[in-house]
Parts: sequence; C-alpha cells; structure tokens
Amino acid sequence: EAQVTQNPRYLITVTGKKLTVTCSQNMNHEYMSWYRQDPGLGLRQIYYSMNVEVTDKGDVPEGYKVSRKEKRNFPLILESPSPNQTSLYFCASSLRGKGPQHFGDGTRLSIL
Amino acid sequence: QQQVKQSPQSLIVQKGGISIINCAYENTAFDYFPWYQQFPGKGPALLIAIRPDVSEKKEGRFTISFNKSAKQFSLHIMDSQPGDSATYFCAASITGDDKIIFGKGTRLHILP
Repeated sequence: EAQVTQNPRYLITVTGKKLTVTCSQNMNHEYMSWYRQDPGLGLRQIYYSMNVEVTDKGDVPEGYKVSRKEKRNFPLILESPSPNQTSLYFCASSLRGKGPQHFGDGTRLSIL
Repeated sequence: QQQVKQSPQSLIVQKGGISIINCAYENTAFDYFPWYQQFPGKGPALLIAIRPDVSEKKEGRFTISFNKSAKQFSLHIMDSQPGDSATYFCAASITGDDKIIFGKGTRLHILP
C-alpha cells in the first residue's frame, strides 16, 4: 500500500527545544515536500526535495531545516522552535512534475 | 503574482446539487493545476488535475473547467453527496520548478 508516514502525529513541547518530525515514503518517489497548514492561510510549502541531497526552500522556510540523505526519508527539523511554529504539518511525495500526490496524515505541533 | 485566489471560503449545497469552487491565478507560467480533497484528521488527497492545453477534464462526478484567457479554473462536483463534505484546495505549479502554490481552501458541506 502506498504510504507516507509521519511521526509523531502529535507533539507538545517548549520554546527552544530542538525537535524532528520524521517522514518516510514507500513509493520510491523522487520528490518530497513539507507544508504547514494554518487556519485561513491554507497550505504553505516549507521545503522540498527533488532527489537525494537536493533540497530547496518553499514559501515559508524560516526556522526550519530539512535533509535528504536517503530517497525514502525527508525529516523536518526545528532547531529552536518558537510559538509561531505551532501548526499542522504535512509531508508529501510524488513523481516530479506532478505536484504532491500522496500526503501523510499530519503532525500537530504545539510550541509553548 | 505567485498567489492563487480561491473562493468561496465556505459553501453549503443540498444533496444532489452542483458544488462549484473557483480559483484564479496571475502567473501565466503556471502549467499544472491540481485539486485536493481533505477530510478532517487526514492529509489532503489529490483529486483531479488539469494542464492548460485542455479546457475541461472530467473524472466521475468531478470536473475541472479551465479558462486560460481569464486565468481561472474551477471545480464542479455534480450530484453532490454528504460524503463529499470536506475542505477542497486548488493549487498551481510550474513543471520543472517543483514549487507549488495552494489556494486557501473551501470548506464544503453537503446537506443530507
């Protein structure tokens, strides 16, 4: 079954405590991306990756880092989380040129 | 120029009716226009997509209409059902750019 798996699904943490949200896909897709979803703002792209070791900024990259060391994994790193990063986060994967095709079920982050 | 404007924000339709959601864009370089459906607690799911070389694409009860000169595209849901109640996002991207811009979403409710 085609899957994009995110962990954790929920996290409450405090300002400044580094955290990582993992994302893994089993479809051998080249393209992976991260989004945040906020009420009234829709989905905004944070970072994307076209292939292993190739990443680029989306529309709202400030405060986030990513890495793509393996094709299947694309973790999102918040080095020093702040309350304005409280949001619902989605990872997605696809073949290139098709936009995101498969999304994970989301990670709800609360930064106190 | 990178925005995708989606309307309405929310929509209530009687069962069996036609639901229509509209999107407009400015950047004429966009060449891929997907629509996503999102149920509560789930990630968005790719519903249907169109490229500007066609004016209409139909999949079951879902149809995208595309007006290149007006830089608008819309999603029509025929014979709307309560199971169609969800949030719908339009999006636009440029093939080879790998960035994608989403509209802010439309919350659709189908009355039983």
